[in-house]
Amino acid sequence: SQKIEQNSEALNIQEGKTATLTCNYTNYSPAYLQWYRQDPGRGPVFLLLIRENEKEKRKERLKVTFDTTLKQSLFHITASQPADSATYLCGASSGNTPLVFGKGTRLSVIA
Amino acid sequence: DAGVIQSPRHEVTEMGQEVTLRCKPISGHDYLFWYRQTMMRGLELLIYFNNNVPIDDSGMPEDRFSAKMPNASFSTLKIQPSEPRDSAVYFCASSSRVPNNSPLHFGNGTRLTVT
Repeated sequence: SQKIEQNSEALNIQEGKTATLTCNYTNYSPAYLQWYRQDPGRGPVFLLLIRENEKEKRKERLKVTFDTTLKQSLFHITASQPADSATYLCGASSGNTPLVFGKGTRLSVIA
Repeated sequence: DAGVIQSPRHEVTEMGQEVTLRCKPISGHDYLFWYRQTMMRGLELLIYFNNNVPIDDSGMPEDRFSAKMPNASFSTLKIQPSEPRDSAVYFCASSSRVPNNSPLHFGNGTRLTVT
C-alpha cells in the first residue's frame, strides 16, 4: 500500500542551525508533495508545495527538495529559531487524489 | 476570511452515544475533506467532497461513520454509535482546486473523547 514515512518522530536542534526533515514514500509515485506546520491544539498550516518536475522550492528560510530517484523529499529550515518549534507534516498526492500524510516530525529548536 | 470553522472544539461522550461534528469551509472552496488524527496512525483521510458530492469515502472506518454536505457552506460527520477507539482529533479542511496541487486549509479540529 502507499506509504509516506517521516523518519524522525522528534528532532532537537540548536538555534541558528539548519533543521533538515525527511519524507520518504514507497509503493507510490506522487506528482506533488506538500509540507505543513502544526502547532499544538491547532490544525496543520500549509507551507510549501513542490511538483515532481521541480528539484527545489524556496520560501524565505524554508527549502524543499524532491528527489524522485531516491523517493524522498527534504525540508530545510535555515537559521532556525525557537518559534520554528512545531510538528511538520509531509503530504503526497498523485493524479487527482487527495493528500496522504506522514505522521509528522516534532521539531524542537533550543535557544 | 474566517477560515475553516469546526464545532465543537471538544466533545466528551459515552460509548454508544451519537456524535455529530460540524464544519463550515472557506467560502468559494469546491473541495471539503474530513481527516482524523491519532498518535498511532497520524492524519488519515476519511472522506472528501467535490461540489457537495461525496467522491471517495473509502477511508470511513465503519458503517457507524457517515458524512453529509447538504450545501456548499456546511458539512457534518456523524458517528453512531460511538466507541472508545473513535477517540481522536477530527479535522475538516477545504481547498479551492484539485486537491493535489493546491493547499489545504484546515480547521482547528474537534477533539473527541469517547469513554
